[in-house]
Amino acid sequence: AQRVTQPEKLLSVFKGAPVELKCNYSYSGSPELFWYVQYSRQRLQLLLRHISRESIKGFTADLNKGETSFHLKKPFAQEEDSAMYYCALPYGGSQGNLIFGKGTKLSVKP
Amino acid sequence: NAGVTQTPKFQVLKTGQSMTLQCAQDMNHEYMSWYRQDPGMGLRLIHYSVGAGITDQGEVPNGYNVSRSTTEDFPLRLLSAAPSQTSVYFCASNHRGGTEAFFGQGTRLTVV
Repeated sequence: AQRVTQPEKLLSVFKGAPVELKCNYSYSGSPELFWYVQYSRQRLQLLLRHISRESIKGFTADLNKGETSFHLKKPFAQEEDSAMYYCALPYGGSQGNLIFGKGTKLSVKP
Repeated sequence: NAGVTQTPKFQVLKTGQSMTLQCAQDMNHEYMSWYRQDPGMGLRLIHYSVGAGITDQGEVPNGYNVSRSTTEDFPLRLLSAAPSQTSVYFCASNHRGGTEAFFGQGTRLTVV
């Protein structure tokens, strides 16, 4: 069964510290994985997808098929990174729908 | 270009009442979907549509109905609201073959 696991509900770091938000998945076949972010009072938006191998706002994520992980990393956290982060993969193989993890709330303290 | 628009933003219902949450997109996206967001549960897919006239169930469809008569609109109906349906509801859309889902601002629904 498809599943996304984000083990941390809350992650609190100080400004300038490295950040790693964990995501593990269960999926048969080659998954396409995403990170979505929801800033306070804003709509959910795509942060990055593994297929594009890009860095957005200093965040990167590498797909590790052996460990079935897609952890989100940033070397130096900023206060504006405080938000809710969701890892996601396609539901039922359809690119139109997503299965989300339960989310990790990142709090970056000054 | 408004993107994905949801109405209303807030709603309080009494148990047993019915209502429709509206969702409209102006990006000519084929795919539309509804999610509910609950504390500690993340977002869960309720129903989705891959085009006008085609809908299917997601992870948590019970208690909800949908229809897709046009490309632009994808309303979500609660026929008999229950307190367990208290949640924040998000509508999303994306192109067939596209990988980025665009979300609405959400509807916060309370059932008392």
